[in-house]
Amino acid sequence: EEQMVQSGGGLVQPGGSLRISCAASGFTISNIYMNWVRQTPEKGLEWVSVLYSGGSTYYADSVKGRFTISRDISKNTLYLQMNSLREEDTAMYYCARGLNGGVRYFDSWGQGTLVTVSS
Amino acid sequence: IQMTQSPSSVSASVGDRINITCRASQGISRWLAWYQQKPGKAPELLIYSTSTLQSGVPSRFSGSGSGTDFTLTISSLQPEDFATYYCQQGDSMPRTFGQGTKVEV
Repeated sequence: EEQMVQSGGGLVQPGGSLRISCAASGFTISNIYMNWVRQTPEKGLEWVSVLYSGGSTYYADSVKGRFTISRDISKNTLYLQMNSLREEDTAMYYCARGLNGGVRYFDSWGQGTLVTVSS
Repeated sequence: IQMTQSPSSVSASVGDRINITCRASQGISRWLAWYQQKPGKAPELLIYSTSTLQSGVPSRFSGSGSGTDFTLTISSLQPEDFATYYCQQGDSMPRTFGQGTKVEV
């Protein structure tokens, strides 16, 4: 069964750092475009970052320079390192797989992990 | 690209036919997807490339449109269809979503 299990969320102070993880099973993340998408009641769904199968990375302007997407192929796990966190980064974060190995749509999502940035 | 959905919510009954509209701020050809999200769950892909049903999605769901105007249709609403629906453009980066349409009783 293909699935993604997320971990690592929590409460962090403004300016702090946090790393969230997305452990995949049933498929190999190195062959797939893998994304992070976040959601808040106020702003809805917001795409955050993508890691191409070839290793290229792209980021939303709102997180560029602060967040880093990466993967550990040996653990089949995707990461999002979040630095210089702001209160507006508070959200439910989802990892999302590219449909059919592509980059346009998201066909499978993790269960979500809540990140709260507050003093 | 900004994605605007209407209505923001719709009240309906089991068996009703409903349409949800999504408008892109610029042309996106047919690079549009629809997702369904239930409370406390991650979104699920329903339709991609405007009208292609994802595997396992019932045929009562359909999509149409091109360019800037798109529609999700549920032909006969079932109890499990009460949820929030989002459109998403796959034409250019960054990928963007509509604000959602809540289908409620």
